Amino acid sequence: EAGVVQSPRYKIIEKKQPVAFWCNPISGHNTLYWYLQNLGQGPELLIRYENEEAVDDSQLPKDRFSAERLKGVDSTLKIQPAELGDSAVYLCASSSGTGMSGELFFGEGSRLTVL
Amino acid sequence: RKEVEQDPGPFNVPEGATVAFNCTYSNSASQSFFWYRQDCRKEPKLLMSVYSSGNEDGRFTAQLNRASQYISLLIRDSKLSDSATYLCVVNIGGSGTYKYIFGTGTRLKVLA
Repeated sequence: EAGVVQSPRYKIIEKKQPVAFWCNPISGHNTLYWYLQNLGQGPELLIRYENEEAVDDSQLPKDRFSAERLKGVDSTLKIQPAELGDSAVYLCASSSGTGMSGELFFGEGSRLTVL
Repeated sequence: RKEVEQDPGPFNVPEGATVAFNCTYSNSASQSFFWYRQDCRKEPKLLMSVYSSGNEDGRFTAQLNRASQYISLLIRDSKLSDSATYLCVVNIGGSGTYKYIFGTGTRLKVLA
């Protein structure tokens, strides 16, 4: 079974440019998460989807960040315009959200460098 | 105060040593608890869930103290391959929902 797939793996852009990241979760996983991870820090939740509904976007900087999960499957995270401080790894994760395990499965991440 | 706090380390230990990591969480309504492992430049992966009664998986033992809002991970007989960052994760979502909050991680380096 395929894991969580993210693209691109790496992206280098100049500040003020837009950027988009794509995530395909594990088939059948209703819950999808976007996390941001800075060097030496743990992942920080940006947004959580249950199917196509964003149930928690309180940590998403809405002035420049947006996300969507059309049809409750794939998701896209966009930054426009990017700032220097946005350089980080953007991790997508999914879970089936059942039972007590609720294990999170992460993609390999999209590493963004803003120059 | 952060919702989940860990000592960032690094912990440098010799092979064969026993090492323990601690984690505290602030939300008393937290539902479930986990340890994840993250290798350098890789994604986090589940190491083990943490149950109130404590649980063991080979050389790894996890404990939960709800009264003190404290979680621990003990690694016995450390191997070189245990070198990684260990992330404490707390689910602060309600019943049947999952809002995972990660600690900053504790770096472990096992030395030959």
